[in-house]
Formats: sequence, C-alpha cells, structure tokens
Amino acid sequence: DQQVKQNSPSLSVQEGRISILNCDYTNSMFDYFLWYKKYPAEGPTFLISISSIKDKNEDGRFTVFLNKSAKHLSLHIVPSQPGDSAVYFCAATAGTGANSKLTFGKGITLSVRP
Amino acid sequence: EAQVTQNPRYLITVTGKKLTVTCSQNMNHEYMSWYRQDPGLGLRQIYYSMNVEVTDKGDVPEGYKVSRKEKRNFPLILESPSPNQTSLYFCASSPRGQHYNSPLHFGNGTRLTVT
Repeated sequence: DQQVKQNSPSLSVQEGRISILNCDYTNSMFDYFLWYKKYPAEGPTFLISISSIKDKNEDGRFTVFLNKSAKHLSLHIVPSQPGDSAVYFCAATAGTGANSKLTFGKGITLSVRP
Repeated sequence: EAQVTQNPRYLITVTGKKLTVTCSQNMNHEYMSWYRQDPGLGLRQIYYSMNVEVTDKGDVPEGYKVSRKEKRNFPLILESPSPNQTSLYFCASSPRGQHYNSPLHFGNGTRLTVT
C-alpha cells in the first residue's frame, strides 16, 4: 500500500517556466513532509520541507504548498533551470518520536529543456 | 567535508557469495539507515540504527544484516545474495532520526548486481 504517491513519473518543462511536482498521501497521521532531489550517480539531497501547521514554505526558487484537507502537496520551481533536471522524491513522516518513519514516494523525473 | 561514504560504488557478484557494503559518516550523526531503490518502487528502508548497538528492521529487511559497533560505521551484509537483491543501495545518516529538522544525508549509492 503506497502511502505517499507521486502518480506522474515524469515532467518536461521549458527553461524559465514553472515546474509543478505533485504528491498525494493517504496517511492522515503524516505531519511533516520533505522533498529530496536526486541527480544520476549521486544520492538524494534534501531540498525543502514543510510542517503540517503551515500551508506554504518558500526557499528561493522552491516553494512547497500543503493542502491537508486534500492530502496533497506540491513543489513549485520558478523559474525552472536546466540544472533542476533530476528525480524528485516526496517523503512524509508522522510524529516526533525517535522511531518515526520516513516514507518515500516513487519519484518524479523532471526534465528542463533549454 | 561532511559526507556519507559508501563502498564499493559498483558490485557484481554471484548467488550465495557473501558480501558487505560499507558505509561511513563523518558528521557524528546518531541515526543511520540503509535504503534500496528499485524502478517503480522508490526508496524502501532496509534497516536503521538509532545509535551504537541499536538496530531495527525497516520495510524490507529479509536477506540483509547490519551492525553498528561504532557511531560512524553501518555496514550492510548480504549473507547469501540472491538475484532479487539486485538493486541500487543508499546509506543515509542524520543527527537524531528521520523526522523534524533532521533531514537525511545520503551516500552516492552502491549498484549491486547478483547473477
């Protein structure tokens, strides 16, 4: 049972335009969400996160929006750059306990065309 | 430089031949974990460790062993590898766990092929 769903496996965007990467979750206990970015032949790196007490978090060109009622979050990249081409993983966790588990989605491959 | 180092980067082996993938971090992190990445399945946790001598199973622990004798090292052991363990493996660490304000730092991965 996939608790974190990234239903679109890939996205292609023109340089300078907005990239919107979507993520849905089913577990209502999730209260903290993260996005990781992965380049080929490298490990994932942390990009941005959001707590369930917020509906938006912004860091430079990257903004994550959270809609708790819809159990949906999205990552916006504005403007998109060719260096943003990578696989993006959405992840979620519940609670602050030491054993709280991080659940990842399958990932979305973003291609930014020059 | 703060990093998580995995070795080897690539490994081809045969069914049943025991192997170890090493993982070391230089950030004094308490938490370490192993993941495997497979097409269409994303990242799945194999084992994790909250601190020295404390390890626990993740989502897909069958066929794997780990140990945490020192804070910096967290090797992954495949006692008798099988072809279904062909995958891309990532080691990760974080200061306190995998939750609030404690993002994971990943190694660059180990591509394992079992024939």
